[in-house]
Amino acid sequence: QQQVKQSPQSLIVQKGGISIINCAYENTAFDYFPWYQQFPGKGPALLIAIRPDVSEKKEGRFTISFNKSAKQFSLHIMDSQPGDSATYFCAASPYGGATNKLIFGTGTLLAVQP
Amino acid sequence: ETGVTQSPTHLIKTRGQQVTLRCSSQSGHNTVSWYQQALGQGPQFIFQYYREEENGRGNFPPRFSGLQFPNYSSELNVNALELDDSALYLCASSTRDRGGAFFGQGTRLTVV
Repeated sequence: QQQVKQSPQSLIVQKGGISIINCAYENTAFDYFPWYQQFPGKGPALLIAIRPDVSEKKEGRFTISFNKSAKQFSLHIMDSQPGDSATYFCAASPYGGATNKLIFGTGTLLAVQP
Repeated sequence: ETGVTQSPTHLIKTRGQQVTLRCSSQSGHNTVSWYQQALGQGPQFIFQYYREEENGRGNFPPRFSGLQFPNYSSELNVNALELDDSALYLCASSTRDRGGAFFGQGTRLTVV
């Protein structure tokens, strides 16, 4: 019940296309959902985050869609660029909105082809 | 860059030894969490420190321990190292419960 399931494991997208990564959870106590981007040899970088009182949040080319009833959330990367090639992690906090006690998904390796 | 710095960047230890990893948090952040990231996996929450006290712990044994200092920097100590402890250890700082967690570049620990 404490898991966050992430799919797909890997994704290949053409430059300019839309990258979509999905996550699902079971614990209804989760109430903070960030997405992180990680390049090889680096720590994860916070991209965007959402709380369950909204269904969508957009920052630049990155959008989180959140479906509370389905217990699913997804990351959309619009106009994907080769520089977006990285591993993406969804995460959730079951600790009353705490932003630094996170359960991470297993990651999605994104490759954007030029 | 996040302003969170970790040292050392790489470390090789022998099974059974002890190791100390260090983290300086981002300016203005009073909370530090530590995560373990095995190769090809997502980070796993080890524990969090707030006001120099442990404030939540994940599923890690007591040989994983930590400290937070008055300047909010932190240490992670691991005793009796095992081969499975080989991983990237990440420190993340934040304000208490809000504002997002920001990670350092990590310490790559190899246990041989």
